[in-house]
Amino acid sequence: SQKIEQNSEALNIQEGKTATLTCNYTNYSPAYLQWYRQDPGRGPVFLLLIRENEKEKRKERLKVTFDTTLKQSLFHITASQPADSATYLCAFYNQGGKLIFGQGTELSVKP
Amino acid sequence: DTAVSQTPKYLVTQMGNDKSIKCEQNLGHDTMYWYKQDSKKFLKIMFSYNNKELIINETVPNRFSPKSPDKAHLNLHINSLELGDSAVYFCASSHRQPNTGELFFGEGSRLTVL
Repeated sequence: SQKIEQNSEALNIQEGKTATLTCNYTNYSPAYLQWYRQDPGRGPVFLLLIRENEKEKRKERLKVTFDTTLKQSLFHITASQPADSATYLCAFYNQGGKLIFGQGTELSVKP
Repeated sequence: DTAVSQTPKYLVTQMGNDKSIKCEQNLGHDTMYWYKQDSKKFLKIMFSYNNKELIINETVPNRFSPKSPDKAHLNLHINSLELGDSAVYFCASSHRQPNTGELFFGEGSRLTVL
């Protein structure tokens, strides 16, 4: 079955640095991949969608890459701020049309 | 003007009880979902409705019964609650765009079964 794996260990970085989160997938080749942000006690919020023919997508300080050969997406936050601290989830629609999620990576940005 | 609202936000109940969670969206979306997030933070889809029709029904115990009276509402009723049902349940909605639609989530309903 299709699987998404994100680094379950929390990522701790210093304010101003670039945070890089990894999303790996197996047993499927999604045409689109989505990234969400989830704050404690809140629902996930959509951030970005990247298509398989787009190597890179940017939105303000966010950058997402999609490597269909490696079956991997990287999510970057440049000039990170404490307000960026949250859990970040990647997701894609599987063959059955269901949006499946990785377990998320918790990011903590220290001042 | 909350886009996807679900009630209640917190639910504490005893094993064996029956409970319901309600969800409403004012985004004009055609498709609504129920997801379960367990203690390990995995979000798993349970059900999906498109225009009141059930289109996704994951391997969920039949104690869970969704109901969609109209395309703006999707409720979840759970019978004979068990300890393992404790989780956060998220309602979500989207436009019906095959394999691209972003989901808009509610704030979640935390269910604790004692």
